[in-house]
Amino acid sequence: DTEVTQTPKHLVMGMTNKKSLKCEQHMGHRAMYWYKQKAKKPPELMFVYSYEKLSINESVPSRFSPECPNSSLLNLHLHALQPEDSALYLCASSQAPSLPAKNIQYFGAGTRLSVL
Amino acid sequence: GENVEQHPSTLSVQEGDSAVIKCTYSDSASNYFPWYKQELGKRPQLIIDIRSNVGEKKDQRIAVTLNKTAKHFSLHITETQPEDSAVYFCAASGITGNQFYFGTGTSLTVIP
Repeated sequence: DTEVTQTPKHLVMGMTNKKSLKCEQHMGHRAMYWYKQKAKKPPELMFVYSYEKLSINESVPSRFSPECPNSSLLNLHLHALQPEDSALYLCASSQAPSLPAKNIQYFGAGTRLSVL
Repeated sequence: GENVEQHPSTLSVQEGDSAVIKCTYSDSASNYFPWYKQELGKRPQLIIDIRSNVGEKKDQRIAVTLNKTAKHFSLHITETQPEDSAVYFCAASGITGNQFYFGTGTSLTVIP
């Protein structure tokens, strides 16, 4: 099973709202990722968690706040977003951080976010 | 950091013909090169990958070749079918394994 599950599938929010995106995997993977993807563009890395610790933050604005409560779950908390933050947010996981032989990334289906 | 370039940005082929997409990378330490297919509104799906200790890998109609000296790798799809129509992304990953550097994508259209 190479399933990464993301909820919700779609989200519409106003600029003053607070919402959260969720990602779950039960493959025993110890690295989890958040990406942002605009239409017809490649995924842009936002955050990487390795063994539940934040290891990479690609200078993402503080209105995006990641959280990794345990090895299976990854959240992205959203607050005071801007219309330009509208995009597809993808979660991914890989088996073992920092082991090149175990770094195949499996993507979730994404949350399509619209900020009004 | 790593820089991955991908060409062409769009590609149209007749059904049954072959399609080739090329990527170059800048960091000689990169050692893992996956290819992802993304259909409209869907997740990127890994279709094939290659590691730097291998020059070529094949899986049915799909093959990937790697030239470490020239720092480029290519995706080859033979006998294309309409369901091959999608955006294809190449990527490169280095020693740490965590960070993927994606190419800009190729929109492939297979004309029936």
